[in-house]
Amino acid sequence: DQQVKQNSPSLSVQEGRISILNCDYTNSMFDYFLWYKKYPAEGPTFLISISSIKDKNEDGRFTVFLNKSAKHLSLHIVPSQPGDSAVYFCAASRGGATNKLIFGTGTLLAVQP
Amino acid sequence: DAGITQSPRYKITETGRQVTLMCHQTWSHSYMFWYRQDLGHGLRLIYYSAAADITDKGEVPDGYVVSRSKTENFPLTLESATRSQTSVYFCASSELAGGPISYEQYFGPGTRLTVT
Repeated sequence: DQQVKQNSPSLSVQEGRISILNCDYTNSMFDYFLWYKKYPAEGPTFLISISSIKDKNEDGRFTVFLNKSAKHLSLHIVPSQPGDSAVYFCAASRGGATNKLIFGTGTLLAVQP
Repeated sequence: DAGITQSPRYKITETGRQVTLMCHQTWSHSYMFWYRQDLGHGLRLIYYSAAADITDKGEVPDGYVVSRSKTENFPLTLESATRSQTSVYFCASSELAGGPISYEQYFGPGTRLTVT
């Protein structure tokens, strides 16, 4: 049972345009959401996060939106740059004392120059 | 080196062999995790550890064994490797639970394991 879903395996965007990556979840107990970025042959790196008590968090070119009623979050990258080309994973946590994260399957973003 | 390291980076082994993947972190993070990354499945948690001598199963623990005698090390052992364990393995660490910052996990560079 995939509790965190990224339904788009890949996305291609032109440089300078907006990239929108989507993520859906099924467990209403999730209270914290994160986005990770992964380049080939490297480990994932933390990008941005959002608490369930918020609906938006912004960090430079990256903004994460959370719609709790729809159990949906999205990552917006504006403007997209070729260096943003990577696999993006969304992840969710139920809080508590375990620090465990549940990851989605990832979306490969290709930003075309 | 500061941070989190994994060794070896690449490993080829035969079915039935025992193999150990090493993970070392220098931050003194309480929590450590092992994931495997497979196409179509994303990152799946194998085992995690809340502190030295405290470990627990994740989503896909079968065929794996972990130990954590020291805070900084968290080795993962495949006792009898199978072809289905061919994957990329990532180790991660995070601070003690207690607020949003504890959810941010820091990942090592990964070990690509091939079982023939």
